[in-house]
Amino acid sequence: DTGVSQDPRHKITKRGQNVTFRCDPISEHNRLYWYRQTLGQGPEFLTYFQNEAQLEKSRLLSDRFSAERPKGSFSTLEIQRTEQGDSAMYLCASSLVLAGVLYEQYFGPGTRLTVT
Amino acid sequence: EDKVVQSPLSLVVHEGDTVTLNCSYEVTNFRSLLWYKQEKKAPTFLFMLTSSGIEKKSGRLSSILDKKELFSILNITATQTGDSAVYLCAVEETYGGSQGNLIFGKGTKLSVKP
Repeated sequence: DTGVSQDPRHKITKRGQNVTFRCDPISEHNRLYWYRQTLGQGPEFLTYFQNEAQLEKSRLLSDRFSAERPKGSFSTLEIQRTEQGDSAMYLCASSLVLAGVLYEQYFGPGTRLTVT
Repeated sequence: EDKVVQSPLSLVVHEGDTVTLNCSYEVTNFRSLLWYKQEKKAPTFLFMLTSSGIEKKSGRLSSILDKKELFSILNITATQTGDSAVYLCAVEETYGGSQGNLIFGKGTKLSVKP
């Protein structure tokens, strides 16, 4: 257990439905990242936050995806109008940036999404 | 094109063997290279490497970075069945400041047989 938690752990949804995932980072970490991982591949970067500000978004993050971190603590990732290609493990990670030094990222257990 | 390439993609060894996993990268704005171990869940952090030639060690695992030749190796000595996992290499890019975007390789699947 790294201290990063994600909810739910598993989600099965029908195509076209909206889903929302939550990530609670390690409490003192000011950076929060979202990744997507499909079978046999390494994780792909989606987006990251520094406190409540979303600083970077991957081209993989289509308009159907939105992420928030309203108070600089937990974050949510919403996928609208899900498609079967969205089926994947969604990983959250957090890290600390202090005085310009970026420390290592710790990953949560992931949310496995299956779109039927 | 793949920016982080790991080899081999899979490896089967017997307990007690020593293994070397490779990671080469091609990244313009390199900041650091990280190794993770992933079993049937999220990746677990192993090492972060930022300087060439300095070996990092944790028990039977060690890793070193060569920034001139753009690669890193992860060594595991006296392997145990509990070492069976996918080992991921990730390179952190930066565009000024401390961005922290990780680019992962596809991983090396290590199977250790008793």
